[in-house]
Amino acid sequence: DAGITQSPRHKVTETGTPVTLRCHQTENHRYMYWYRQDPGHGLRLIHYSYGVKDTDKGEVSDGYSVSRSKTEDFLLTLESATSSQTSVYFCAISGGLAKGSTDTQYFGPGTRLTVL
Amino acid sequence: QKEVEQDPGPLSVPEGAIVSLNCTYSNSAFQYFMWYRQYSRKGPELLMYTYSSGNKEDGRFTAQVDKSSKYISLFIRDSQPSDSATYLCAMSAATGGGNKLTFGTGTQLKVEL
Repeated sequence: DAGITQSPRHKVTETGTPVTLRCHQTENHRYMYWYRQDPGHGLRLIHYSYGVKDTDKGEVSDGYSVSRSKTEDFLLTLESATSSQTSVYFCAISGGLAKGSTDTQYFGPGTRLTVL
Repeated sequence: QKEVEQDPGPLSVPEGAIVSLNCTYSNSAFQYFMWYRQYSRKGPELLMYTYSSGNKEDGRFTAQVDKSSKYISLFIRDSQPSDSATYLCAMSAATGGGNKLTFGTGTQLKVEL
């Protein structure tokens, strides 16, 4: 998984509780992404980061926040979890090469989150 | 209508068959096309990466892009049970830093002995 770990790998929580998922990389890649994967929707981008303390919203960012205080760590927080946020969450990284170069994304193993 | 359409399957084939997986898309700005393979309860892994129209071959895998028809394909020759997985197409309009990928929903493939 290209030097990417996610924690926890599984979590069950209750509606209304805060949840933080962690993505850790050892590749020193500049870009990091959080996706969720749901049946019938595929992978959808939640937030991404293009550097320490630099983040931006993706397609489905409502109800989520992120932080990146170090190159290697990207945190995804659900401030008040809802049942609609039950999903599998994937972190991805990319090197962010110069324009015109290939820049592929590599995925972590995923976190399976259930909100009851 | 989704930007990227992909038949979810499941697609079941006998070992040794040639498999054809396809995606169609509507955004003519897409120029970079990828295929990811995802085993059950694992993260997606990059299989093929192509730019613009044309073919690219890597072992038993061939990726084909037809931008005029907005249609991409992945062919798997001599399919093996180990190819059983979900195959996701992905595409983007730009490359370089922070390119945003748009994914298909994935096609589930089962290769039977």
